[in-house]
Formats: sequence, C-alpha cells, structure tokens
Amino acid sequence: DPKIIQKPKYLVAVTGSEKILICEQYLGHNAMYWYRQSAKKPLEFMFSYSYQKLMDNQTASSRFQPQSSKKNHLDLQITALKPDDSATYFCASSQDFWGPYAEQFFGPGTRLTVL
Amino acid sequence: GDSVTQTEGLVTLTEGLPVKLNCTYQTAYSDVAFFWYVQHLNEAPKLLLRSSTDNKRTEHQGFHATLHKSSSSFHLQKSSVQLSDSALYFCALRRNNNNAPRFGAGTKLTVKP
Repeated sequence: DPKIIQKPKYLVAVTGSEKILICEQYLGHNAMYWYRQSAKKPLEFMFSYSYQKLMDNQTASSRFQPQSSKKNHLDLQITALKPDDSATYFCASSQDFWGPYAEQFFGPGTRLTVL
Repeated sequence: GDSVTQTEGLVTLTEGLPVKLNCTYQTAYSDVAFFWYVQHLNEAPKLLLRSSTDNKRTEHQGFHATLHKSSSSFHLQKSSVQLSDSALYFCALRRNNNNAPRFGAGTKLTVKP
C-alpha cells in the first residue's frame, strides 16, 4: 500500500486557472514538504511544515500556498497558473523535522502541465 | 548560501564498469549532513546514502561515498554498474537545524549492455 498518496497523478490546467495538489501520508510522520522538478531546475525545495506549522518557504511567489488541514495532509494550492509552473510536484515527509529521524520519503508526484 | 555542484550531467557506461559521480559543495556551516538520492524513470527520488562524518565511508546497495570536508566533496562510486543502476542521481546537503536540502543539478547515469 502506498504510504504517501498524491492526487492527481497527472493534471492539465489552462493559464490563469487555479489548482490544488493533494498530499496525504500514512507513515505517522510529523513533518511534510513540497518539491518541484522540471527540466530547468531538476529538484527544488519549496516548503516545509512541522506539526502543521510552516518552517521554511523558499518559493518566491505567493501564488503557491500550502494548506495543512491535518497533520498528515499538506496540499499545495497554485493560483494564476503559468506555463512555467509546468513540472512534477513531489510531496515528502519525515518522522521529525530535524535530527537523526529527519530522513525524507518522497511521494510519487503530480505531473502538472499548464497550457 | 549553500550550493552543491554535480559536474557531469550525463554519464553513459557499459555494464560491469566502475562509476564515479562527482559531488562538491560549498557551505559556511559545520553542522551539515550529505545525501545521495536516486530517481528511476517516472519514480520518486529515494534516499541512497547519507553521511555527516568526515572521512568515513558509507555504503548501500553496492554504492559507496566518503565525505571529505578537506576537499568539500561527497563523490558516489560503484565498482561494477548494472543495467538497473540507470537513473538520475542527486547529491544534496542539509543543515541539521533546517530540513530544507539543497540539491545538485543531478547526473543521469545510463548503463548499456
């Protein structure tokens, strides 16, 4: 059974629209993260959360907003979509935010294409 | 800021040959951990190796790496590559008080029969 679920697997959107990428983890982890991977930037850290609290935000744009309704959920809302947002978005989680149990496990990803 | 450099974008080898994927870094911090992730085609990245101890060899699944702080390097090696090793390999560093890894650009390893 998959321990980190990302939905949908593939997503096509039009420029200017808004989409929400879903991430749920069933590993009992306390920290969750979002990454983006595209041809221009192979693997790019975006956000980290620990116990539903934002720890780090390395995205330059406010169009990207993480949403954590439960400790094991970290969704990513993207507004005013642009073609440059086309990428695979990976969710990850770790047992703890730092220390020896901070190893991150990645979900299968959502491939977003913006037309 | 922190940075990780992987000099080879693409490496193509014949099965059975040794491989060395280079990784060098820059950081002003001493409390840092280093990682190698592997990503097979259409899959998620998975942790392959990690280390924070200078001059100590770490091994997993036939791969090994040794952190050398004197040369700011954490190269990945394997003595004999297999077809199944074809994948994208990322080197990364992370400060121990901040779980936001900085990744290198990645090296695509292709192993041919």
